[in-house]
Amino acid sequence: AQSVAQPEDQVNVAEGNPLTVKCTYSVSGNPYLFWYVQYPNRGLQFLLKYITGDNLVKGSYGFEAEFNKSQTSFHLKKPSALVSDSALYFCAVRPHNAGNMLTFGGGTRLMVKP
Amino acid sequence: DADVTQTPRNRITKTGKRIMLECSQTKGHDRMYWYRQDPGLGLRLIYYSFDVKDINKGEISDGYSVSRQAQAKFSLSLESAIPNQTALYFCATSDPSSGRTDTQYFGPGTRLTVL
Repeated sequence: AQSVAQPEDQVNVAEGNPLTVKCTYSVSGNPYLFWYVQYPNRGLQFLLKYITGDNLVKGSYGFEAEFNKSQTSFHLKKPSALVSDSALYFCAVRPHNAGNMLTFGGGTRLMVKP
Repeated sequence: DADVTQTPRNRITKTGKRIMLECSQTKGHDRMYWYRQDPGLGLRLIYYSFDVKDINKGEISDGYSVSRQAQAKFSLSLESAIPNQTALYFCATSDPSSGRTDTQYFGPGTRLTVL
């Protein structure tokens, strides 16, 4: 069975600084990987996904994520954080051969301070 | 995502009551899902439906049932609510014809409190 770990419950960064939200996964075979963001009182919004090919994936709102197969990681990054990026971020994984069953990590709260 | 709506948005109920949460979508997607979110646990899949006649249990289906009334509607029922079903519930949809990854799109959530 697949699993996702987000080792940090909360990440604090200053506005303008780069941010990283970590995600590692365990899955049999090749994965599809996703990042979702949840703003207060809102549902999850799709940010980006890794299918295959280029290990650096670019998504919405200036976010990007790097797939590292040897480290089984898919860390979310942004070069310059905004206060409006403050939200709850979820990493999710799905094996290529498992229908569409997503497994989510526990979430990481990102706090960007002015 | 405004294309996926959930009603009610908030509900407080008592132990033993039957509760129905509703989800509607205008995205035209065949696939629909129900998740619950608990702090620190992420989202866990309760039930999913790949079309009107196809309903499947997810990771945590005990104590829940679902009904797929139409392509656009997928309801979640708690037959006899208990306090540990207090959570945030999300509906999601996806369209497998959109590509290999079948990205899921989520509704705004229903906050359910069982006293």
